[in-house]
Amino acid sequence: EVHLVESGGGLVQPGGSVRLSCTASGFTFSTYWMSWVRQAPGKGLEWVANIKQDGSEIYYVDSVKGRFTLSRDNAKNSLYLQMNSLRAEDTAVYYCARFLRIAAAGNGGGGFDYWGQGTLVTVSS
Amino acid sequence: EIVMTQSPATLSVSPGERGTLSCRASQSVSSNLAWYQQKPGQAPRLLMYGASTRATGVSARFSGSGSGTEFTLTISSLQSEDSAVYYCQQYNNWPPLTFGGGTKVEIK
Repeated sequence: EVHLVESGGGLVQPGGSVRLSCTASGFTFSTYWMSWVRQAPGKGLEWVANIKQDGSEIYYVDSVKGRFTLSRDNAKNSLYLQMNSLRAEDTAVYYCARFLRIAAAGNGGGGFDYWGQGTLVTVSS
Repeated sequence: EIVMTQSPATLSVSPGERGTLSCRASQSVSSNLAWYQQKPGQAPRLLMYGASTRATGVSARFSGSGSGTEFTLTISSLQSEDSAVYYCQQYNNWPPLTFGGGTKVEIK
């Protein structure tokens, strides 16, 4: 059974940093793209970033470029999101998700077929 | 960036009735669209991809249709367990991957 478990969230001051982790089990982690998706309190879903199996391709939503860094350690079945220069608008539940690439799309795109339970990051003074 | 718009914001239906949710893209996304269900306090769950292909384990009461800019998620014979927020997401032009704002389904 696929399991994704996030950790590292909490209260952080504006301008501060936090590192989120996601530990995967139940599938061959090294063969999947992985993602982070966030959800501000009472709001909808927002894709944050994707990383290729070997880390050679990484994509971010514009609002976090230059501030967030996505990485992975396949030996540890783990995904990381280093979040710097945090702003109030980064307050959200951050979900780790497995990215399901749809071959028929022809562009490497797809959806998210498994999700963790999420970790809350609150940016406030 | 492709903007996804969902309607209605809230759908209130009686048990056993059919529910129809709409999703519109600001430009064509072909059939590269997914649907998710999110129940209160839970992570989202993938329901559909390719606009009409049900994900593993998804009930046949859920069906998807559409292509281009107009999409529909239909839930036949709504049950109390279907009470949730439903999101569409396009993956035709990315990055970024973009979601709609969601439709809340309430069971009367």
